[in-house]
Amino acid sequence: EAGVAQSPRYKIIEKRQSVAFWCNPISGHATLYWYQQILGQGPKLLIQFQNNGVVDDSQLPKDRFSAERLKGVDSTLKIQPAKLEDSAVYLCASSLQASAQPQHFGDGTRLSIL
Amino acid sequence: KQEVTQIPAALSVPEGENLVLNCSFTDSAIYNLQWFRQDPGKGLTSLLLIQSSQREQTSGRLNASLDKSSGRSTLYIAASQPGDSATYLCAVTSGTYKYIFGTGTRLKVLA
Repeated sequence: EAGVAQSPRYKIIEKRQSVAFWCNPISGHATLYWYQQILGQGPKLLIQFQNNGVVDDSQLPKDRFSAERLKGVDSTLKIQPAKLEDSAVYLCASSLQASAQPQHFGDGTRLSIL
Repeated sequence: KQEVTQIPAALSVPEGENLVLNCSFTDSAIYNLQWFRQDPGKGLTSLLLIQSSQREQTSGRLNASLDKSSGRSTLYIAASQPGDSATYLCAVTSGTYKYIFGTGTRLKVLA
């Protein structure tokens, strides 16, 4: 079974630029999550999708972050404009359904803001 | 608001030692608790998932226990090996089944 795929693996941009990350979940997984992991901290949920609908985006900084999952499969997370504090690893995870299912994680995208 | 704490933040042990990692959470109304391993530059690998109705789960040299009423979980690693060196994270689910993570324990097993 193929795992959660993310790209790119690394990205370096200057502050105020924009950036986008892509995630392809495990086939058949209805729930998709984006997490932000700042160095030395545990991951923090940014947004949770159930199919193509948003379940929870309470911690997403909506003035600069946006995410979509238009066809209920792969997803894109965008930051525009980026700030220095956005330097982090962005992890995508998926699960069959939200309810008490284990989440499977991709290797993440490491973002550095100069 | 759910908060998850992991102690110790870092741990260094000689190979072969048995060790215990601790995780505590403030709100006992959880659906499950999951332990993960994270290697440098990698995503999270699931180790053990304990449903709220369960007391423990075992996989090989790993044993995780859950005491929901006291808000605690422990991950026991038997006969540690250098390959066990990694960061270990615990996470609880509640509400919309989103995960709340602890800050992790960085484990180093010395050969």
